[in-house]
Amino acid sequence: DSGVTQTPKHLITATGQRVTLRCSPRSGDLSVYWYQQSLDQGLQFLIQYYNGEERAKGNILERFSAQQFPDLHSELNLSSLELGDSALYFCASSVLAGGSTDTQYFGPGTRLTVL
Amino acid sequence: GQNIDQPTEMTATEGAIVQINCTYQTSGFNGLFWYQQHAGEAPTFLSYNVLDGLEEKGRFSSFLSRSKGYSYLLLKELQMKDSASYLCAVRDPYNDYKLSFGAGTTVTVRA
Repeated sequence: DSGVTQTPKHLITATGQRVTLRCSPRSGDLSVYWYQQSLDQGLQFLIQYYNGEERAKGNILERFSAQQFPDLHSELNLSSLELGDSALYFCASSVLAGGSTDTQYFGPGTRLTVL
Repeated sequence: GQNIDQPTEMTATEGAIVQINCTYQTSGFNGLFWYQQHAGEAPTFLSYNVLDGLEEKGRFSSFLSRSKGYSYLLLKELQMKDSASYLCAVRDPYNDYKLSFGAGTTVTVRA
């Protein structure tokens, strides 16, 4: 158990819908990262927040957005869902913004299925 | 850009040794990580290298050569539970210190 929690564990929805995935980082960690993992794409970085502020952006679609709240939990919002959005979505956390030995610890993931 | 290569699959026998290679081409370098991921589960941190040389952690060791853009993860005394995907990831300070992951190497341990 990494100490990172994610809810829900599974999510099944229809195309065109909107969902929210939630992540709570490990105690003391200020950074939260979101990743998407699909069978043909591997682990793809989406976005990072550090202490409430957006820190780095990856290949995140405009239909996706995220935020980090004052209590440091984060939410990833996915809208206008398409079949291709079906994937495992992981949240990771680390103590710092990303330098030196800062290590990311991953949550159990949310499996999203879009029908 | 970031380019991280690792073999797709490897098979080995229980009790044997397997070496998973990773080569990378990135704008900059600020550390290389190895993660283990069982199917459908979260990646779990195995090792971190930032200086050249070998880091040993029990049955697992990781080696880095920065001049060659090369790392390997060595798994010794293989056990059935080591069957998993092993992900190589590089942090690039010229890319917002983001981690770029390789596609992963699926290791199958046979009895």
